[in-house]
Amino acid sequence: DTAVSQTPKYLVTQMGNDKSIKCEQNLGHDTMYWYKQDSKKFLKIMFSYNNKELIINETVPNRFSPKSPDKAHLNLHINSLELGDSAVYFCASSIPLEGRSGNTIYFGEGSWLTVV
Amino acid sequence: AQSVSQHNHHVILSEAASLELGCNYSYGGTVNLFWYVQYPGQHLQLLLKYFSGDPLVKGIKGFEAEFIKSKFSFNLRKPSVQWSDTAEYFCAVNARLLNNYGQNFVFGPGTRLSVLP
Repeated sequence: DTAVSQTPKYLVTQMGNDKSIKCEQNLGHDTMYWYKQDSKKFLKIMFSYNNKELIINETVPNRFSPKSPDKAHLNLHINSLELGDSAVYFCASSIPLEGRSGNTIYFGEGSWLTVV
Repeated sequence: AQSVSQHNHHVILSEAASLELGCNYSYGGTVNLFWYVQYPGQHLQLLLKYFSGDPLVKGIKGFEAEFIKSKFSFNLRKPSVQWSDTAEYFCAVNARLLNNYGQNFVFGPGTRLSVLP
């Protein structure tokens, strides 16, 4: 019954490899996100999609490419992994912001990526 | 651009002490405000949120926060902390993007709370 699920939870890989992290939400939300949390716990937005359309694309290397096959899925593919990519990657989802009504962002359990 | 600052990087308290974590945001429009908690090795979970109305909001586990619009602040409080409150606490702002299409959730840098038994 996990609302936002992402796989794998742990990933250890060598520099130069290509890897993907998958995310799925069953909340019926239209907006999905990828956040990166570094070793100092700082949480930074990477990408956001609304109904499969990219709306936020922060300054991240081109090696990172999100893909949203439908509004319930947002996957993250990383090419040519580097040591500095080691972090926890969180997928999240929310409903659209409409008028003055607020909404909440729900997080997946995180994917711990270690590049060696 | 929106930004969120949190006053303390690391707070250490003894059990039963009172807690106040500071949060200030920078955004001129209507915002929604949140506090999230991240227990060690876990994901972020919602503690409480403010959308409108009473500026004093109550959340889970005895936490509350007060929105002071004139100060652009949303401080988190708890009258008596427990060892199980040891975690990372994040303040966040949700607002519409400047292009008026879509939204963003911006998180503060986090405050680590250590409660000593």
